[in-house]
Amino acid sequence: QKEVEQDPGPLSVPEGAIVSLNCTYSNSAFQYFMWYRQYSRKGPELLMYTYSSGNKEDGRFTAQVDKSSKYISLFIRDSQPSDSATYLCAMSARRTNAGKSTFGDGTTLTVKP
Amino acid sequence: DVKVTQSSRYLVKRTGEKVFLECVQDMDHENMFWYRQDPGLGLRLIYFSYDVKMKEKGDIPEGYSVSREKKERFSLILESASTNQTSMYLCASSLSGSNCEQYFGPGTRLTVT
Repeated sequence: QKEVEQDPGPLSVPEGAIVSLNCTYSNSAFQYFMWYRQYSRKGPELLMYTYSSGNKEDGRFTAQVDKSSKYISLFIRDSQPSDSATYLCAMSARRTNAGKSTFGDGTTLTVKP
Repeated sequence: DVKVTQSSRYLVKRTGEKVFLECVQDMDHENMFWYRQDPGLGLRLIYFSYDVKMKEKGDIPEGYSVSREKKERFSLILESASTNQTSMYLCASSLSGSNCEQYFGPGTRLTVT
């Protein structure tokens, strides 16, 4: 069983919809939680990074972590066609040198105009 | 802007060839990583380095080696390419104090025939 499981998608929504992207994990040592966005034929780019449980907001994006349930989510409000991409969750137990990140497989999102 | 560049976007090699993939970052980051990305398997860590001449095995190091002679450059070597090494290879870098915030290159799509 994988340490990080991500809703496989693909997900297709109309412009303006609220999108929820989700990951679950099994390793209780994970304390750092990241969301990356990957456009087609490009490398991933870091969207948001949170530590431990709670919410973090950045513009239209909100990252939510529930460590008791081992569940994280990324919400996108007022989704735009430019949000169409693959979204990867990632997690790490440590922030410094030996802290490897474990990635989910990604969820592909299409926002239709 | 952090810039991570990879030597080739597309590469076609024959089985048994020695393959070199080069990665260069221009932000004086201490840490550098090599991943491969495959459908259904996500991003998997091959090797990482947290200092010049230092290297650590990731989750799937078999069939690969790495070299880091200069801080800005991290090379991935396939000693004898095989068809199961056909994949997208992604390089990333980060500051030593923030392994979780990784900056990725555009990727090299390697096909081994």
